[in-house]
Amino acid sequence: AQKVTQAQTEISVVEKEDVTLDCVYETRDTTYYLFWYKQPPSGELVFLIRRNSFDEQNEISGRYSWNFQKSTSSFNFTITASQVVDSAVYFCALSDALKAAGNKLTFGGGTRVLVKP
Amino acid sequence: EAQVTQNPRYLITVTGKKLTVTCSQNMNHEYMSWYRQDPGLGLRQIYYSMNVEVTDKGDVPEGYKVSRKEKRNFPLILESPSPNQTSLYFCASRVGTGKYEAFFGQGTRLTVV
Repeated sequence: AQKVTQAQTEISVVEKEDVTLDCVYETRDTTYYLFWYKQPPSGELVFLIRRNSFDEQNEISGRYSWNFQKSTSSFNFTITASQVVDSAVYFCALSDALKAAGNKLTFGGGTRVLVKP
Repeated sequence: EAQVTQNPRYLITVTGKKLTVTCSQNMNHEYMSWYRQDPGLGLRQIYYSMNVEVTDKGDVPEGYKVSRKEKRNFPLILESPSPNQTSLYFCASRVGTGKYEAFFGQGTRLTVV
């Protein structure tokens, strides 16, 4: 069975501080995909990034960066120089590659990030 | 604009009164799902569909029904809602499985009293 754990339920930082969100996953599959979604206060879910299990290269997109470490089954997300607009709930999710089972995204419990001015 | 549209956005109902939450996507995606979001639990899949007339249970299907008569529509039906179905519901569609991200509707906040 798949499982995603986001141990941090809430993180509060002051603007311009860096914040790292942890994500640890469990799966028996050798091929799988990891995702991060953002849920701002307005409630919609916004796709941020996808990473496949064969690509351990870290990725940076503006102030966002992701660190995928297969050895520790982790896919952590860092926001550099946080801004008030980064305040949201962030979800890590896992999908395997099988046709039927792969339709499901297994989500972590989410981490609420509050960035104070 | 590519989108998944859910209605209604907010709904308060009484125990036992049948309701339907509609979901429609304009991206011609084969795969659609319903999730519920509860504090600390993230999103959990209720039902999914891989194509017209093909549906199956997700992780928390009890008390829900779905249908997929047309590719674009995937309504969620609560025949006899109970207070434990008070939650935030999301419809999602994907072009395929595995690597493809899901596109989510705006969410439906349901309260059953």
